[in-house]
Amino acid sequence: GNSVTQMEGPVTLSEEAFLTINCTYTATGYPSLFWYVQYPGEGLQLLLKATKADDKGSNKGFEATYRKETTSFHLEKGSVQVSDSAVYFCALSPRNSGNTPLVFGKGTRLSVIA
Amino acid sequence: ETGVTQSPTHLIKTRGQQVTLRCSSQSGHNTVSWYQQALGQGPQFIFQYYREEENGRGNFPPRFSGLQFPNYSSELNVNALELDDSALYLCASSLEGTLKETQYFGPGTRLLVL
Repeated sequence: GNSVTQMEGPVTLSEEAFLTINCTYTATGYPSLFWYVQYPGEGLQLLLKATKADDKGSNKGFEATYRKETTSFHLEKGSVQVSDSAVYFCALSPRNSGNTPLVFGKGTRLSVIA
Repeated sequence: ETGVTQSPTHLIKTRGQQVTLRCSSQSGHNTVSWYQQALGQGPQFIFQYYREEENGRGNFPPRFSGLQFPNYSSELNVNALELDDSALYLCASSLEGTLKETQYFGPGTRLLVL
């Protein structure tokens, strides 16, 4: 089956620290991969995506590279800000799967302190 | 802002009651998916509607039902509410009906069942 595993939080960092949130997946074929962010009290916002192996998604200083050999899509940011405090979800969308839905990890809560 | 709107934002119901949640999709999108996000968990797929027809369903009982209208807005109906139905209900819109396209989420409706 399809599944996503994320590192457990919460993650607490000081402002300007380096961020890594690990994400690995299990899927049939070659899925599209996503990172969504959820700010307090809000819905999900698409942060970045990658649709094939070795693609790098990037947005707002965040990056993630689709690694087929390690089935991973780790999220990184070089210097976090207090405003990055949120819950981050890794998700996959299986290819050639017809109606199979987005599969999410459980989320990783990030707190950035000044 | 994704252009996806949901109403109401919050709702309190008692066990056994029925509830209807509403979603307006982003302009140009013809597909709406519904997800349930329990506290501290990732979203779980309920079902998807494409051109007014159900186009995929997750592992939810039949008391979860939906509709899509000609303007592509959608409703989620839940009958015989149970305490475990308390969650954030997220609507996501996308273009076409394959679930491989990027989904854009609304802010959600938070349902509390007492």
